[in-house]
Amino acid sequence: ELKVEQNPLFLSMQEGKNYTIYCNYSTTSDRLYWYRQDPGKSLESLFVLLSNGAVKQEGRLMASLDTKARLSTLHITAAVHDLSATYFCAVDPKGGGSNYKLTFGKGTLLTVNP
Amino acid sequence: NAGVTQTPKFQVLKTGQSMTLQCAQDMNHNSMYWYRQDPGMGLRLIYYSASEGTTDKGEVPNGYNVSRLNKREFSLRLESAAPSQTSVYFCASTEAYGKLFFGSGTQLSVL
Repeated sequence: ELKVEQNPLFLSMQEGKNYTIYCNYSTTSDRLYWYRQDPGKSLESLFVLLSNGAVKQEGRLMASLDTKARLSTLHITAAVHDLSATYFCAVDPKGGGSNYKLTFGKGTLLTVNP
Repeated sequence: NAGVTQTPKFQVLKTGQSMTLQCAQDMNHNSMYWYRQDPGMGLRLIYYSASEGTTDKGEVPNGYNVSRLNKREFSLRLESAAPSQTSVYFCASTEAYGKLFFGSGTQLSVL
């Protein structure tokens, strides 16, 4: 059974600071996804990482994938209040194919304080 | 550009009642999914449909049934609701590479 573990689960940080959220998974896969969820809202896709060494950046967020270590990171640079949300990583356990049955981590609740 | 549309947004049921959650997507995606979200649990897959005419169980299928009515629509039915099914339900569909597009969610309470 695939396990996806995120840490930390709760993160309170000050504006302007940097931090990293970690996503570990238990089985071989080269497909990993990051999503953002605002309170009471749906999930929106942030990044799709499809190979070892993949790195994607959007604004103050950068995601990377190390399939050998079974680890993805979401790095936050110079945090701003608007980044406050819950961040989920998700893994495709079959590493491809057409079904895309993603397994999600429990999420990291990020609060950025002034 | 509607994307994935779910109805209803809120629903309160009594134990034993039945209901159907509706989902439709207008992006011509083949694969569709139903997830439930509970506090501290992330999202868990209930059922999915890889293409029109096919459905398969996910991680937590007990107490649910699904119908892939056509390529656009994928419904989730609770035949006899239980308090343990109190949750937020999300429908999703995917293009290539597994990037999921989510509906706005249904908040369901079973009393």
